[in-house]
Amino acid sequence: GQQVMQIPQYQHVQEGEDFTTYCNSSTTLSNIQWYKQRPGGHPVFLIQLVKSGEVKKQKRLTFQFGEAKKNSSLHITATQTTDVGTYFCAGPGFYNNDMRFGAGTRLTVKP
Amino acid sequence: EAGVVQSPRYKIIEKKQPVAFWCNPISGHNTLYWYLQNLGQGPELLIRYENEEAVDDSQLPKDRFSAERLKGVDSTLKIQPAELGDSAVYLCASSLGVGGGYTDTQYFGPGTRLTVL
Repeated sequence: GQQVMQIPQYQHVQEGEDFTTYCNSSTTLSNIQWYKQRPGGHPVFLIQLVKSGEVKKQKRLTFQFGEAKKNSSLHITATQTTDVGTYFCAGPGFYNNDMRFGAGTRLTVKP
Repeated sequence: EAGVVQSPRYKIIEKKQPVAFWCNPISGHNTLYWYLQNLGQGPELLIRYENEEAVDDSQLPKDRFSAERLKGVDSTLKIQPAELGDSAVYLCASSLGVGGGYTDTQYFGPGTRLTVL
């Protein structure tokens, strides 16, 4: 079945440094979603990408969907301590609403 | 607007005991999901409901797990009997269920952390 793989598993940065996490799928995705989970919290929806090559920005966060719709990335510019958490990508399985989550990238930020 | 409500938040039981989790989705959300999340991993879908119908339960270990959503609103997930390996966070999520080939935004509850001793 469809799987999404995320790298890196962990990332530790100094506050102010940039951060990028990558998501790769073995199959073409109709869309991809990104979620953030704070330590001790639950996943919170960030964004959905649908179009090939799509780029969306949310303040310091930039999301990209690859041309082949098999990969995606999340880039955070000038990280802050509030960015700490685990970032998950998720792609649909057989049904559009059966999302398959990656293992996530855990971001820690040193002040 | 209230979010997804789950109870209990924490549960500690001994192996072979039964346990049940309850979820109340966001009002008006037709689709309800149960996920299992192990430490350091992403959520894994157990079952998805469209109203009261379970449309995907292929990942639910049916020998010990069961779920129901009788009136298409609240849902319960049960494990009987629990095993040591069932220790995890059980997340409930809901979405509007717009259909038409679109993927909904899912709203997660706080989860129930289960510890099986």
